[in-house]
Amino acid sequence: DAKTTQPPSMDCAEGRAANLPCNHSTISGNEYVYWYRQIHSQGPQYIIHGLKNNETNEMASLIITEDRKSSTLILPHATLRDTAVYYCIVRLQGAQKLVFGQGTRLTINP
Amino acid sequence: DAGVIQSPRHEVTEMGQEVTLRCKPISGHNSLFWYRQTMMRGLELLIYFNNNVPIDDSGMPEDRFSAKMPNASFSTLKIQPSEPRDSAVYFCASSPRAQNTGELFFGEGSRLTVL
Repeated sequence: DAKTTQPPSMDCAEGRAANLPCNHSTISGNEYVYWYRQIHSQGPQYIIHGLKNNETNEMASLIITEDRKSSTLILPHATLRDTAVYYCIVRLQGAQKLVFGQGTRLTINP
Repeated sequence: DAGVIQSPRHEVTEMGQEVTLRCKPISGHNSLFWYRQTMMRGLELLIYFNNNVPIDDSGMPEDRFSAKMPNASFSTLKIQPSEPRDSAVYFCASSPRAQNTGELFFGEGSRLTVL
């Protein structure tokens, strides 16, 4: 699976949009981009995934660049409960393993 | 659904003792994963099962670790003998493999402390 690079930490004000970047410059054509988050003392939680089109669900939006070398997870109106470690993961289509990196520690400030 | 259920939530034991962690996956899910999380190494995949059969155990650190899945609703991760460096949070996750969406459902974890 391709490697991902994320900033170790970010801050965002409550109510603002939180934009979390992820680089995956070695991604191949049949690899998906997944985002998970882990709130303190809990297990990781699935957020969203995509292949090449932008995706949106009730939790977040995922914007993937046209060359697929990077993506951005957007939390449109961040709340204090969104404070967590966010993991960007690249996974081969059909594979089952999810390999977690170090993620980005997002802190939402009041 | 109750979600993935892990027990115990916390365990403190002494070096050399046997530790057994338990997991009940979500009903109907046929893939099960065991992860370990430490500050130093982050989240590591130890082993995963499909339809109760171990598929990849390359992440299991050494022979002291073993995992079983005797049926679709129960799995164990055993450490014998335990060592202080095994102290970590152990997560179990399940997935409905037929969908293969990559969405794993994690339990709350079992925090193990080996003294």
